[in-house]
Amino acid sequence: QKEVEQNSGPLSVPEGAIASLNCTYSDRGSQSFFWYRQYSGKSPELIMSIYSNGDKEDGRFTAQLNKASQYVSLLIRDSQPSDSATYLCAVNLWSGAGSYQLTFGKGTKLSVIP
Amino acid sequence: ETGVTQTPRHLVMGMTNKKSLKCEQHLGHNAMYWYKQSAKKPLELMFVYSLEERVENNSVPSRFSPECPNSSHLFLHLHTLQPEDSALYLCASSQTYGTSGRDTQYFGPGTRLTVL
Repeated sequence: QKEVEQNSGPLSVPEGAIASLNCTYSDRGSQSFFWYRQYSGKSPELIMSIYSNGDKEDGRFTAQLNKASQYVSLLIRDSQPSDSATYLCAVNLWSGAGSYQLTFGKGTKLSVIP
Repeated sequence: ETGVTQTPRHLVMGMTNKKSLKCEQHLGHNAMYWYKQSAKKPLELMFVYSLEERVENNSVPSRFSPECPNSSHLFLHLHTLQPEDSALYLCASSQTYGTSGRDTQYFGPGTRLTVL
């Protein structure tokens, strides 16, 4: 069973702190990794994509990828109450039918406390 | 209009009704997707169309019938639904679909469906 696993939370952090969201995946052949943010009642919004091992920074967000450990994370620096949302990890897993299929974790709910 | 749009945003239907969900993408993409999102469950891929041809059908019941008349439009026809089909239905698009493993998907706002 090819899976993407996330801690469902909720993860509570104080305003201004660093929020750390983690994700593991089962397929060593995965090529691309995405973080989406989903506010309650809204659709997923792409935050970051990462394809290579190491860190990728975009503003207050940093994605970290370790393919050997099959682990991808998202750090949010200087967390704001507006960052409170569910964060979805998505991984392109080989479907076995000749193509990749984007597979989502259940999401981690983040709550930033003012 | 920009990005991916979906109509209607909310839909309430009885089990014997027939309705359709519409999705339109304004990004010039070649692949379109239907997902189902239920509470406490990860997004479930339902259908994928690439260049107007269906390429994935993830064991979805026949009461859901997709249609892709061109690369910008995608429909999901609904008939004889069950209450457990109540969920958020999301449309997404990507530039390509295939073996690169690097297709980035962009989502529409979703249709909140309630089946009575």
